[in-house]
Parts: sequence; structure tokens; C-alpha cells
Amino acid sequence: DIVMTQSPLSLPVTLGQPASISCRSSQSLVHSDGNTYLTWFQQRPGQSPRRLIHTISNRDSGVPDRFSGSGSGTDFTLKISRVEAEDVGVYYCVQGTHWPWTFGQGTKVEIK
Amino acid sequence: EVQLVESGGGLVRPGGSLRLSCAASGFTFNDYWMSWARQTPGKGLEWVATIKHDGSEKYYVDSVEGRFTISRDNAKNSLYLQMNCLRDEDTAVYYCARLTKHDSDYWGLGTLITVSS
Repeated sequence: DIVMTQSPLSLPVTLGQPASISCRSSQSLVHSDGNTYLTWFQQRPGQSPRRLIHTISNRDSGVPDRFSGSGSGTDFTLKISRVEAEDVGVYYCVQGTHWPWTFGQGTKVEIK
Repeated sequence: EVQLVESGGGLVRPGGSLRLSCAASGFTFNDYWMSWARQTPGKGLEWVATIKHDGSEKYYVDSVEGRFTISRDNAKNSLYLQMNCLRDEDTAVYYCARLTKHDSDYWGLGTLITVSS
């Protein structure tokens, strides 16, 4: 199975400051169709996961543009340009290129 | 609005059985693959079982193969997970999730399964 490794696992951030989460896969996530199926989810406290970004960098409808995704191959990044209070939660990367799809361990974003 | 509502969770003894249900609304259910995923504090998030839109293909994570069965009733817009021979390590919040081709775009609120004697 593909191993997804996130860092850091805990990220204290000052309101209004940027935040960056890294996600690395144990194998390339480039699919035979040419796409790279790397997704980012946000899980706020007490809520179910919510998809933020798919195929590396495509934001879902309603997701603020302060969230952005980038990367290629095995290295990916989720950035929050200016953290707001509502961004507190755990962020997961997940790969959908190789079955079984696998999740990263999660990165907990909290306000300092 | 897409809605996925799980039910059927609870406390069960090791070796016991439980059936989860997921009621779907707000989209054409039989157009989508569906999955059950689970979340534990220790192991994080894990896909448990996946079923094709017409039920003709099913996939399971190794740890539940032979014990869990995923099914669907497209006439009732419902997804099911029959869980047999439950183990302590099956304790988790179980989510119903709608799949796109290579990920999931909507999750339910989840239902807690506790396996304990």
C-alpha cells in the first residue's frame, strides 16, 4: 500500500499568518491517465471530513481562495495564506491513484 | 443538497454482528460508487469497503475481507455494511462517503461502533 506521510503533525499558527502542510507519498501518484489524484480534506472539531482540494490544486466550490494546493509526483503541499479561526482542525492528504486509497496521518492546525 | 445519514451504530461484543445503513439524498444515487470509511484515534482514517454504482464490483481493505459485506439498494437510495465477527480493533466512527472517480467528495456525519465485552 502507498504510505502517505504528513508533516508537521501539529501546527500552531498565529491568526492572519500563513501555514503550510507537507504530504509525501511512498510512490509516484501520477496515474496512467496522466492525472495525479491527490486530495486534501479538512476535518473541523466534531465534524466529518470535508474535501477542500482535489487533483493536487483544484479547490472545491465554496472553499476560500486562501487555501491552495501544489506539488507533483511524490511531494505535495497545502498552504493557507492567512489562517482564520474557522481553519482550526485536522487536515488530511489522501491519494486516489493506487488502490487501496490511503490517507496521511493528519496535521492538527491550532491557533497559538 | 447532498446528504448522507448513517445509522445502526452502537455497542457490540467481540464476535458479534452489526449492520450499518446510509440514507442518501440530494443526488442520483445510482450514478455513484460509494464507500464506507472509518476513523480511529490510533489508526486515523481508513477506507473499509467500496461498491460500484450498480453493485457489480466490491472492494474491501484486507483487515475486513471475509467479515464485512458492502451492499446497496438503489431503489431505496441506501448503502449498507454488514459487519460480522467484530473485533476490538473494529471500534471506530464509520462514515458513508460518495465517491468520484478517484476520491470522495461528500461524507456523512458518521456512526460510532464500539466493540467491547
